[in-house]
Amino acid sequence: AQTVTQSQPEMSVQEAETVTLSCTYDTSESDYYLFWYKQPPSRQMILVIRQEAYKQQNATENRFSVNFQKAAKSFSLKISDSQLGDAAMYFCAYSTASGSRLTFGEGTQLTVNP
Amino acid sequence: IAGITQAPTSQILAAGRRMTLRCTQDMRHNAMYWYRQDLGLGLRLIHYSNTAGTTGKGEVPDGYSVSRANTDDFPLTLASAVPSQTSVYFCASSVAGGYNEQFFGPGTRLTVL
Repeated sequence: AQTVTQSQPEMSVQEAETVTLSCTYDTSESDYYLFWYKQPPSRQMILVIRQEAYKQQNATENRFSVNFQKAAKSFSLKISDSQLGDAAMYFCAYSTASGSRLTFGEGTQLTVNP
Repeated sequence: IAGITQAPTSQILAAGRRMTLRCTQDMRHNAMYWYRQDLGLGLRLIHYSNTAGTTGKGEVPDGYSVSRANTDDFPLTLASAVPSQTSVYFCASSVAGGYNEQFFGPGTRLTVL
């Protein structure tokens, strides 16, 4: 079974600074997908970014980028120029290539200080 | 309806009672899911359905049942609620396939006393 681990229950960053959230996973599959979801206080789950395992190039979405290290089974999220609206719980998630069911990590609560 | 809706928003339930959480989507997605969210555990899959008429068990299915009579609706039933089922429940839907984004409902906060 696949597992996803987020070892940082809480992180904080100053507004306009950069922060990196860590995620590791375990799988025996060679093809799969990885995701970062954001959950603000409103409780709504929002997709931030996703990565296909067979693509070596790291995904980027505006201020959000990932560092995907397939051999190390690591998938960290970098948030540049942090904004107050980035404050949220962030979840790393895994999906097999054939299915759509997600396996989530425990979550990292990000605080952005003004 | 726009997207995915859940009802009720919150509920307090006596242990031993039966409860059905409702989920409806209007995006014609073939796949639907139920997750529960607990602090420190993230979201865990309860049941899923890849298409109308089929369902499957997720990571934590015990004490829960689902049905998928049509594309739009995916109710989750707790036959006899227990306090350990106190949680926030999220319904989600997607086009089937691992890369596709899952769209989540607003969640139902359930407290079992």
